[in-house]
Amino acid sequence: AQSVTQLGSHVSVSEGALVLLRCNYSSSVPPYLFWYVQYPNQGLQLLLKYTTGATLVKGINGFEAEFKKSETSFHLTKPSAHMSDAAEYFCAVSRNTPLVFGKGTRLSVIA
Amino acid sequence: ETGVTQSPTHLIKTRGQQVTLRCSSQSGHNTVSWYQQALGQGPQFIFQYYREEENGRGNFPPRFSGLQFPNYSSELNVNALELDDSALYLCASSSGLAEETQYFGPGTRLLVL
Repeated sequence: AQSVTQLGSHVSVSEGALVLLRCNYSSSVPPYLFWYVQYPNQGLQLLLKYTTGATLVKGINGFEAEFKKSETSFHLTKPSAHMSDAAEYFCAVSRNTPLVFGKGTRLSVIA
Repeated sequence: ETGVTQSPTHLIKTRGQQVTLRCSSQSGHNTVSWYQQALGQGPQFIFQYYREEENGRGNFPPRFSGLQFPNYSSELNVNALELDDSALYLCASSSGLAEETQYFGPGTRLLVL
């Protein structure tokens, strides 16, 4: 069985500060890992994904994530937060299975 | 190329009624998955269809059923609605079972009174 834990249901950062959203996963097979973003009253948009190969993955809007097998983590980072980054972020895991999502982290950006 | 679309955007029903939600997949995609997202939670997998056949189901009762049509559009039907069925229902399409990236529609928000 696969599962995802997102540490922190709400993260607040100042505009221009580093964004760090934490995700730990559990999987009995090498996982595929995803980060999705959800803006208010919208569906999910793929930010980035890891399947195989390079463990540092770059996505859209300046976000990146690093797959660390030894720590079973896939944390999402962005060097400098923008007001437009305020949204709900979901980490998800799969591997020949349906996506299993974490509960999400709401990111607030303070001017 | 059009993305994933869903209809209606919002819906209000009463307990015991039946509802049908619709999804049009992204062009070229033959796999569709449905998810339920309760308020404050991550999406939960309901079921998946591949080339008109159900290909996996999550922990949802049989009153949740689906269809996929030859043009790969899809329906989610829920019978005997309960208050706890109130949620955002998301449809996601992909280009095949081996294609892990799923592209989501905007969702249908269902309120059961």
